[in-house]
Amino acid sequence: AQSVTQPDIHITVSEGASLELRCNYSYGATPYLFWYVQSPGQGLQLLLKYFSGDTLVQGIKGFEAEFKRSQSSFNLRKPSVHWSDAAEYFCAVGAQAAGNKLTFGGGTRVLVKP
Amino acid sequence: EPEVTQTPSHQVTQMGQEVILRCVPISNHLYFYWYRQILGQKVEFLVSFYNNEISEKSEIFDDQFSVERPDGSNFTLKIRSTKLEDSAMYFCASRRGPGLAGDTYEQYFGPGTRLTVT
Repeated sequence: AQSVTQPDIHITVSEGASLELRCNYSYGATPYLFWYVQSPGQGLQLLLKYFSGDTLVQGIKGFEAEFKRSQSSFNLRKPSVHWSDAAEYFCAVGAQAAGNKLTFGGGTRVLVKP
Repeated sequence: EPEVTQTPSHQVTQMGQEVILRCVPISNHLYFYWYRQILGQKVEFLVSFYNNEISEKSEIFDDQFSVERPDGSNFTLKIRSTKLEDSAMYFCASRRGPGLAGDTYEQYFGPGTRLTVT
């Protein structure tokens, strides 16, 4: 069975500082990996995804993530955080079966200090 | 840019009542999903739907739940007799389709319907 762990429930970061959100997954084969962001009262917006190839993937809003198979990790990073990045971030793993259901981590809530 | 829409945005119902949550997936998408997020918890998969039948369902998706694509545009989730524990945000998602041109396995999510069972 696939699973995702996001060890940090809350992270507080100063505006302009760097941000790294951790994600560890468990899946028997090569996973499809995703990061979604959810602003208060909003739906889930895809930041970036990894299927294959280059293990460093670029996404929207200046985010990037690195797939490390040896560590079963897919950590999200942003070099300089903006106040508008305050939101909840979800890592998800997708099965390679045709249905490709997503299994989500518990989320990390990011608070940005001025 | 095409988007998934959901109605209503908030539904309040009494325990034991039936509710239907509606979704309009992106028009050229073929795979449809329902997920739910109980307040403060993770997003959980409920069901996937393809080619007019359920492709996969979770153990949460018991006989109280059903899905339907009644026409070419809507995708609905019905809860026959709601319980207090069904209170959650329900997200619909759609995906282009397996093996089709333009399928990046990305699921596009709607804004959600907040269901409150009293």
